[in-house]
Parts: sequence; C-alpha cells; structure tokens
Amino acid sequence: AAGVIQSPRHLIKEKRETATLKCYPIPRHDTVYWYQQGPGQDPQFLISFYEKMQSDKGSIPDRFSAQQFSDYHSELNMSSLELGDSALYFCASSLQGPGGAFGELFFGEGSRLTVL
Amino acid sequence: GQNIDQPTEMTATEGAIVQINCTYQTSGFNGLFWYQQHAGEAPTFLSYNVLDGLEEKGRFSSFLSRSKGYSYLLLKELQMKDSASYLCAASMRYTDKLIFGTGTRLQVFP
Repeated sequence: AAGVIQSPRHLIKEKRETATLKCYPIPRHDTVYWYQQGPGQDPQFLISFYEKMQSDKGSIPDRFSAQQFSDYHSELNMSSLELGDSALYFCASSLQGPGGAFGELFFGEGSRLTVL
Repeated sequence: GQNIDQPTEMTATEGAIVQINCTYQTSGFNGLFWYQQHAGEAPTFLSYNVLDGLEEKGRFSSFLSRSKGYSYLLLKELQMKDSASYLCAASMRYTDKLIFGTGTRLQVFP
C-alpha cells in the first residue's frame, strides 16, 4: 500500500541558509501535518492543511512557512536556518483530520535536517 | 494545560507480556493514539481509541478509560523486534494537533 513519501531523506545546510522539504500524502488523504522531532524529544506539531487550506498551526517559527498544492503535496520552507533547527521533520496524512471518522494518522519516513 | 505521562523505560523478556501505561490531562480530549517508533525512523500507527474499552489487533491491544484519563498498550508474545519507543498521543477537538508523550523505550531481552 502507498505510504506518505517525504523528500529529501537527508539534508545538510549551513546556518542562515534555506531548506525546502516535500511531502506526498497517501492518496485520497485530505489532511497533511508537519511535525518536528529533535533528538530524544517527542514530535512537536508545526502546521496542518486540510483540502489545501491551512487548518491549524502549532509551534512553527516565523522563519518557516508551508503550503499544500493542488495535487495535495505539501512543502515546508525553512529560512535563516539555525543550529537548533536540526531535527527529524515528519509529514503525516490522514482522512478527515485526527479526530475524524477515519482517525488514523500515518507518518512518512521523515527528513533529517542537519544545520552546521 | 495539556499533559501526557508515560514511563520512560521498560524491559521485558522475549515471549512475555508487557503493559505500557499512559495518563493524560487534556482539554477537549477526543481520542488516544499509540505509535511505535524505532530510533531515527517514523512513528508507526498501532491503534486509535475513541471509546472506552479494549481494542485488540493481533499481539497488540489498547485500552482507554476516558473518565480516568488513562490508556494502556498491551503487547503479548514479545519479540526482539518489539524493542522500540512507544508513544501515546492525544487528539483533541477543534485542533489538528496531537499531544505526544515523551515515549516509553521498551527493551526486549532474550
């Protein structure tokens, strides 16, 4: 079965550079989420999209932005990168939101960002 | 506030049964997820409980008591590959955000 696809899997950047992460949700899933997970930490919710519109916002820095496109894929753009942005970035998708009738939320393999 | 507690570490023997507990205090609670996560990998969906009671899926079962703010994940016939972190996460009404616990690292020994 198709899963959530993320790219790139690994990314190394210098401080103050920019980075873009991509996410392709499971087909027919209408909600996409972005999470950040630092070393030894639990995942922290950044932002979500439902039917291409921003649905909810968490602890996403102002330096980050995201959008969902007409084909439902999503991109997370990160600018002025800082050392503390080094983390695993997970995209997840679900049908009808995490509290909806089909509540299962499936995560992609993640993109590991290292900022030097 | 929003708070989820689960034990930091647990150990068990291959073939045994282990129960991982999770207590939560969240406003607007909707349901409780359990995920398995191996180091450096994505969380893998295990279960989602909305109603009180036990749900069984093969070797894994999950229980929820909404009145007590309590859930547990039961793993039977433990295998070495079950060594991983187990995250419980609460979903709430009117937000897409999941509140995660810090995870329980389970080590299964031969």
